Amino acid sequence: DTGVSQNPRHKITKRGQNVTFRCDPISEHNRLYWYRQTLGQGPEFLTYFQNEAQLEKSRLLSDRFSAERPKGSFSTLEIQRTEQGDSAMYLCASSHPLGLAGESGYFGPGTRLTVT
Amino acid sequence: LAKTTQPISMDSYEGQEVNITCSHNNIATNDYITWYQQFPSQGPRFIIQGYKTKVTNEVASLFIPADRKSSTLSLPRVSLSDTAVYYCLVGDNMGAGSYQLTFGKGTKLSVIP
Repeated sequence: DTGVSQNPRHKITKRGQNVTFRCDPISEHNRLYWYRQTLGQGPEFLTYFQNEAQLEKSRLLSDRFSAERPKGSFSTLEIQRTEQGDSAMYLCASSHPLGLAGESGYFGPGTRLTVT
Repeated sequence: LAKTTQPISMDSYEGQEVNITCSHNNIATNDYITWYQQFPSQGPRFIIQGYKTKVTNEVASLFIPADRKSSTLSLPRVSLSDTAVYYCLVGDNMGAGSYQLTFGKGTKLSVIP
């Protein structure tokens, strides 16, 4: 088990461009989450998948943001027409239901997005 | 979603025990209490989780009183490498399909040599 992985680790893009991030969860975890974190703040929830179904989305997730999790494995988060306010660390976490091992969400290292 | 309140910052000397208390007055019956540690430019790292009484693992202990309106993370004999931000969260991950973690600003722990 190598933990949650995210790619790329860093992304610099110009305003107006589209970007896509990938998250590979821990293999047996059926739950996957995306968070966004800006400097000095705690992570803010964006969206949640159970297997391939996107069950919850935050109001923070504007129409420019879309997330997918085909086949219930890896997930992608796409931001269209990026804005400078999108600059943040994008975090992915995965978990499996409590009761099996008392585990909660495990986070990946994040993707740092800088929009210039 | 239950909100949490924790101190913004704490200082401690190396080798001391550190206790960080978190208030969650409107915790729900199904909510668990989870603590994370985060270093700069890294994702949060799961430390410990509990529902009631006391939980201990190789890293920390978590004390939860009977009313569950607060919890205390205890770090024994901290070292410089424990300098980080610590987040307390409450959430229902026993639900049918929704588990949204709500992070506050956390407690910035600075360990002093």
